[in-house]
Amino acid sequence: AQTVTQSQPEMSVQEAETVTLSCTYDTSENNYYLFWYKQPPSRQMILVIRQEAYKQQNATENRFSVNFQKAAKSFSLKISDSQLGDTAMYFCAFMKPSYSGAGSYQLTFGKGTKLSVIP
Amino acid sequence: DAGVIQSPRHEVTEMGQEVTLRCKPISGHDYLFWYRQTMMRGLELLIYFNNNVPIDDSGMPEDRFSAKMPNASFSTLKIQPSEPRDSAVYFCASSEGQEEETQYFGPGTRLLVL
Repeated sequence: AQTVTQSQPEMSVQEAETVTLSCTYDTSENNYYLFWYKQPPSRQMILVIRQEAYKQQNATENRFSVNFQKAAKSFSLKISDSQLGDTAMYFCAFMKPSYSGAGSYQLTFGKGTKLSVIP
Repeated sequence: DAGVIQSPRHEVTEMGQEVTLRCKPISGHDYLFWYRQTMMRGLELLIYFNNNVPIDDSGMPEDRFSAKMPNASFSTLKIQPSEPRDSAVYFCASSEGQEEETQYFGPGTRLLVL
C-alpha cells in the first residue's frame, strides 16, 4: 500500500516571501501521479499542481512549483511571492496509474500542512 | 463548466435519520469518487464509479452506507440510519479517465449528526 507523509503540520510565511512544503511517499510503483491540493477555510479542495512520475521536468504553475526527486520519493511544493490568499491547508496526494489494476485511480492523501501567510 | 456540484452544502440531522447526499460530476467525466474527511482519519476514499458502475467500494465503512449512480450526471451517497460518528465533510470528485487522472472536487457537504 502507498503512504504519503507530510512532516510539517503547520507553517507560516511572511507575505511576498517564499515557502516550501515537504512531502514524501512510499511506493513500489515506477509510474504514478503526484498532486498538491489546497483547502482554504471554505473547505473546497482545489488542485494546485500535478506531476507525472515519468516526467523528469518539475511541474510549475505560476507561483507554484515542485521539486520532484523520484529516487528519494520526495515531492515538495514551493510557493513564491506568498499572498494572503495562499493561507490554507495543503495536501500532498499520490495516485497509481489507471493500468495498475487494483487500487488505481485512488488518491492517497497525506495529513496536510496548515500554511498561514502573515501580512 | 460549472464544476462538480454537491447538495446540500450543509446538513444537520438527528441520529437514526436517513441522510442523502447528492453529486453532479463534470460533464464528460467517466469517473466519480466519494470521499470523507474527518479530523481523525483525514481524507478517505469511500467508493468510486466508472461509467456509472461501482468499481471499488472497499472504503465504505459499513452497511449503513450505500451509493448509487443511476446515470452519468448524478450520484447519491446514502446513510441509513445515521450516527454521530458519521459527522464529517463528504466530497464528491470526478475525472475524465482515459489517462487524464486529475480528480476535480466539489465543494463538499458538511454533515452533522446529533
